[in-house]
Amino acid sequence: GENVEQHPSTLSVQEGDSAVIKCTYSDSASNYFPWYKQELGKGPQLIIDIRSNVGEKKDQRIAVTLNKTAKHFSLHITETQPEDSAVYFCAASPPGTYKYIFGTGTRLKVLA
Amino acid sequence: KAGVTQTPRYLIKTRGQQVTLSCSPISGHRSVSWYQQTPGQGLQFLFEYFSETQRNKGNFPGRFSGRQFSNSRSEMNVSTLELGDSALYLCASSLDSGGQGLGYTFGSGTRLTVV
Repeated sequence: GENVEQHPSTLSVQEGDSAVIKCTYSDSASNYFPWYKQELGKGPQLIIDIRSNVGEKKDQRIAVTLNKTAKHFSLHITETQPEDSAVYFCAASPPGTYKYIFGTGTRLKVLA
Repeated sequence: KAGVTQTPRYLIKTRGQQVTLSCSPISGHRSVSWYQQTPGQGLQFLFEYFSETQRNKGNFPGRFSGRQFSNSRSEMNVSTLELGDSALYLCASSLDSGGQGLGYTFGSGTRLTVV
């Protein structure tokens, strides 16, 4: 069935270090991969996304890489700051389904 | 511009009752999606609406239903509430088809507690 595995479930890093979160999807037809950040008491917020015809995308301190062959995609956050502390979700969206299949989330803690 | 507005923010209901949750999307967004978020199951897709038509429904029992109005506002209804329906219900709107391309903007959610 449709599934997105996300690792690790929790991640603690020192301020200024990098953080990497990895996801694997099962439906090879998926062609859109967004990443969301959720802070306490708020809805998820889109931070970056990537389409299946692109291997990497960067936006300031955030980057996402996609390996279609392996069905892996990853979020990279460099120079982490305390305000990066939140729960991060990856998702995969198969075309024509009008839905996302979300990973189980990664709780990132940036230690000052 | 105003974001996605969900009402109410918090709700406490008794088992067996029914509940209606409301979502007003960002102006101009015609696609509205609903997700259930729980600690155990994470974010699960409920349904997606575009121009008043439901285009996909997730794997939830028939007690979960929804609709979209001509102004793109959406409601979801849960009948015969069970304890397991306690969750954060998130509404998301998008310009394009079900968020496949430009992403969703989520509301802050409605926290439903069933006692």
